[in-house]
Amino acid sequence: GENVEQHPSTLSVQEGDSAVIKCTYSDSASNYFPWYKQELGKRPQLIIDIRSNVGEKKDQRIAVTLNKTAKHFSLHITETQPEDSAVYFCATLTPTGFQKLVFGTGTRLLVSP
Amino acid sequence: DAMVIQNPRYQVTQFGKPVTLSCSQTLNHNVMYWYQQKSSQAPKLLFHYYDKDFNNEADTPDNFQSRRPNTSFCFLDIRSPGLGDAAMYLCATSVDESYEQYFGPGTRLTVT
Repeated sequence: GENVEQHPSTLSVQEGDSAVIKCTYSDSASNYFPWYKQELGKRPQLIIDIRSNVGEKKDQRIAVTLNKTAKHFSLHITETQPEDSAVYFCATLTPTGFQKLVFGTGTRLLVSP
Repeated sequence: DAMVIQNPRYQVTQFGKPVTLSCSQTLNHNVMYWYQQKSSQAPKLLFHYYDKDFNNEADTPDNFQSRRPNTSFCFLDIRSPGLGDAAMYLCATSVDESYEQYFGPGTRLTVT
């Protein structure tokens, strides 16, 4: 079945720096790649997603890039702010049968003022 | 306005005492999911409903059951909670399996 690896597990940056989180997936047929942000004690919230027909998508300070050949996708956060501190999960949809989310293991991002 | 609502937000139950968690949605979505999330881990899918069709994940313990009496509501029943079942339980919905999932705020279950 689909497998998603996520790195790093923790990431500490200074406010204003950029942060990059990377994920790799195993099934080349996967075609949907969402990113969720989860603050402590709260629900996962979709912050950006990308489908396999595009290589990059941007929304203000957040961008996602997809390399289907290499089977990896990355989240880029520019000009980080303390409120960006959270756990970020990448995910893919299993491409066959009923499509279910397969999550990465999560990255704890800490942005220091 | 809340779109996926979970009650209660916090639930304490005793070891072995049945407990029911509830989820409701105002989105009229076809698919409803239940996830279990333990500290510092990713959400783990327990089961989902596509309309009235129930689908259990292969590794979901028999101790966990679910009911979906109508489009808006879905329940998670834990028949005999063990200490290892203490976790955050997240309900999610999507219009269809290949679309964005909307998560509820979760119910944090404590087993004493």
